[in-house]
Parts: sequence; C-alpha cells; structure tokens
Amino acid sequence: NAGVMQNPRHLVRRRGQEARLRCSPMKGHSHVYWYRQLPEEGLKFMVYLQKENIIDESGMPKERFSAEFPKEGPSILRIQQVVRGDSAAYFCASSTDRVNTGELFFGEGSRLTVL
Amino acid sequence: ILNVEQSPQSLHVQEGDSTNFTCSFPSSNFYALHWYRWETAKSPEALFVMTLNGDEKKKGRISATLNTKEGYSYLYIKGSQPEDSATYLCAFSAGNMLTFGGGTRLMVKP
Repeated sequence: NAGVMQNPRHLVRRRGQEARLRCSPMKGHSHVYWYRQLPEEGLKFMVYLQKENIIDESGMPKERFSAEFPKEGPSILRIQQVVRGDSAAYFCASSTDRVNTGELFFGEGSRLTVL
Repeated sequence: ILNVEQSPQSLHVQEGDSTNFTCSFPSSNFYALHWYRWETAKSPEALFVMTLNGDEKKKGRISATLNTKEGYSYLYIKGSQPEDSATYLCAFSAGNMLTFGGGTRLMVKP
C-alpha cells in the first residue's frame, strides 16, 4: 500500500510563473490536508479538502493560491504568479477520518524555490 | 489563532537517558491531541492520537499523557537511543484541522 505521494519533490520557478503541486493520498483516504513550512518555521495549515469539496481553507492566502481534490486524480495545490516569499516546503497529508479521531499520513513534501 | 507551544525547543541527551517534553494547547474546544515524530529528510509519522482527558498511551519506550482541563500533554522517552533523534511535534485539533507546535528537536549522543 503506497504512502502519500507528492510530486514534484523539487520545483524551481521564476517570479510570476505558476506552480502546481500534486498529492495522491493513500488508498482509501478521502481527507486531504495541505501544510506549508516556511524556512525556519513549523508546519502551518493551509487547506482541508474532501473529494470535490473544500472543507476549510482558512489557512490559505486569499489571492494566488487555490486547491482542489477532484473526484478522480490527485489533489492539486496551485500557486499563481509566484513570489520569493512562496519559497517553502509544501506537505500534503491524508487520513481515513477527520483529525479528531484519525492520524494524518504525510507525504515527503514538495520544495518550491522561487528565483 | 490557536497557540500550541512546545518546550524545550531543542534537547541534547546522552544515550540511555530518559527525557520528556511538554506541549501546551488551548483548554477550550478540545477535540484531539496528536504527537508526531519527524526525522530529517523524511515525513512526519504519527505516534499517538489522544482524545480523552487522562489518556495515557505507550508505544515501546515512548509514552504520552494528556490533561485537557489544564491544556498540556507530556511525551516521555525512556532510555533514549541515537535512533530516537528527531523532531517531535504535537498538534491540537479544535475541529477541522490540526494546529502544530514548533516541535522539540531531540539529539541523542551515543
């Protein structure tokens, strides 16, 4: 049973370009969470999705960032017109249940560098 | 904004020492408290999910306790080994998502 798969593992973009980060949850998991780790900081919640629905996006910047988890295929975190401050590690996690009872299984992260 | 505080930020111990760290979280709207172990260049792995006041959980040499009324959890490692070197994260749930603390970085010297 493959774990949470994230790709790309490393992504380099120039300012103004778009970044797309993909996350395939573990088999049977319908809850997906995205977290961001800025340099020298901890994990910060961005968005929580279930299949085809955004449940909580309170941690996601209002502009340039969007996330989806379609009925088929991976969850996508999209960052438009990237700026240097977007350079960070973006972690995806999945679970079978809500975090009130179920543990999160994390991917290995996608590291975005904006030049 | 939910504050989840962990102390100490880092800790150096000798192999064989027992150690413990603290996680403080809001005592209201409590749903769950998670502990994760995060080794360098890997992804965080769950150790415990605790939901009830007074919960005590154990996995090998690692154990955790939970006090939801006063808003703290302790993680204990008995007889630390070099392979225990990692960052230990706690995370608090007040509903939909986990708010993580900054972690305690443990280094165990052989």
